[in-house]
Amino acid sequence: DTAVSQTPKYLVTQMGNDKSIKCEQNLGHDTMYWYKQDSKKFLKIMFSYNNKELIINETVPNRFSPKSPDKAHLNLHINSLELGDSAVYFCASSEGLAGLPNTGELFFGEGSRLTVL
Amino acid sequence: DQQVKQNSPSLSVQEGRISILNCDYTNSMFDYFLWYKKYPAEGPTFLISISSIKDKNEDGRFTVFLNKSAKHLSLHIVPSQPGDSAVYFCAASGSGSARQLTFGSGTQLTVLP
Repeated sequence: DTAVSQTPKYLVTQMGNDKSIKCEQNLGHDTMYWYKQDSKKFLKIMFSYNNKELIINETVPNRFSPKSPDKAHLNLHINSLELGDSAVYFCASSEGLAGLPNTGELFFGEGSRLTVL
Repeated sequence: DQQVKQNSPSLSVQEGRISILNCDYTNSMFDYFLWYKKYPAEGPTFLISISSIKDKNEDGRFTVFLNKSAKHLSLHIVPSQPGDSAVYFCAASGSGSARQLTFGSGTQLTVLP
């Protein structure tokens, strides 16, 4: 039974399109995240939600809009896709805030590889 | 400006030998450090952590060493097994603006049978 699941795993689309990636966690965690793994392989935080409230919003173009209908779901919608958006996007969740000892352990989904042509 | 650096993108080790993965950081506000392990087509999974009040933490075959003065930590795996072949990410967090987890770029470990 997958703890953090995200769909789709692979997404190939044209520039200018709008796409969404969905994420669900069944761990009962209060905090969820979207990370982007770029071409240099760094994992960078994009957004973090705690109980459906946005708590971290890094310098991300406003074409990216997270939506959290409930604390078990955090979806990522991307408008007007650009070539530079090609990356692997990871959803994650944690009991407490990531980086805190004990409760901050992140549980990641399998990743969604987005390719923009 | 990358605050967590893993300068070796890859490392190959013979089965049974020790694997040493290195990580350097620049932010002196970091006080908690973690290692995550990632297999292909899977998300990273937590492996081991260390608080800045310690200089060593051991969990089975995995030991993390922290040298605060050098702003350096390392992960030792001994003995290395083929199943340890994966990408290892170093991550760090701290107080204030450093609270969110910052990841390095990862090191691909290959353990040769």
